[in-house]
Amino acid sequence: DQQVKQNSPSLSVQEGRISILNCDYTNSMFDYFLWYKKYPAEGPTFLISISSIKDKNEDGRFTVFLNKSAKHLSLHIVPSQPGDSAVYFCAAIAGNNRKLIWGLGTSLAVNP
Amino acid sequence: EAGVTQFPSHSVIEKGQTVTLRCDPISGHDNLYWYRRVMGKEIKFLLHFVKESKQDESGMPNNRFLAERTGGTYSTLKVQPAELEDSGVYFCASSHQKGGVGYNEQFFGPGTRLTVL
Repeated sequence: DQQVKQNSPSLSVQEGRISILNCDYTNSMFDYFLWYKKYPAEGPTFLISISSIKDKNEDGRFTVFLNKSAKHLSLHIVPSQPGDSAVYFCAAIAGNNRKLIWGLGTSLAVNP
Repeated sequence: EAGVTQFPSHSVIEKGQTVTLRCDPISGHDNLYWYRRVMGKEIKFLLHFVKESKQDESGMPNNRFLAERTGGTYSTLKVQPAELEDSGVYFCASSHQKGGVGYNEQFFGPGTRLTVL
């Protein structure tokens, strides 16, 4: 009964190309979506968020797109850099306590 | 500004023993969250404090888990007695207090890796 799904466990791209990470959700009550990045032996680090009333948010090389009708969001990284190699988690928020509901994560490898 | 710290970084105990994990949030952050990631599964919410009060403990697996945040500063999570399925990485996160909607970034600690043998 996972509410946030990342169906690709891993992704490999060449340096300089675009990385596209996908996420699907089932709960229409989610009002914020986030992407976190995680390096080994470290905690997740916030990357970018999007409100459910928006369809796009951009921050430098990172853009998140939200398609509410499809209950789908994606993270675009362009151009990809070797330092972007990490596990990327999609997460969503609902409710007053703002707890995060997480996907399983996608391991991104950017090859030089 | 110091980040969220967690102690210990690793703990290996035998089934039936007790373990206490500690989290020190960023100074001034009223919200404190505990999450757990079991191998092969998603990170899951355990509970949420606002200052010293438990706001939501709906994610706590069972009554072998006890979380406290005395004085609204650091928090402890005690597992007693530990079972094999308690193994995983326990993350703590903190954020500023803000009412209602919007998103206050949750800052995560490095986690405590718990192994129950």
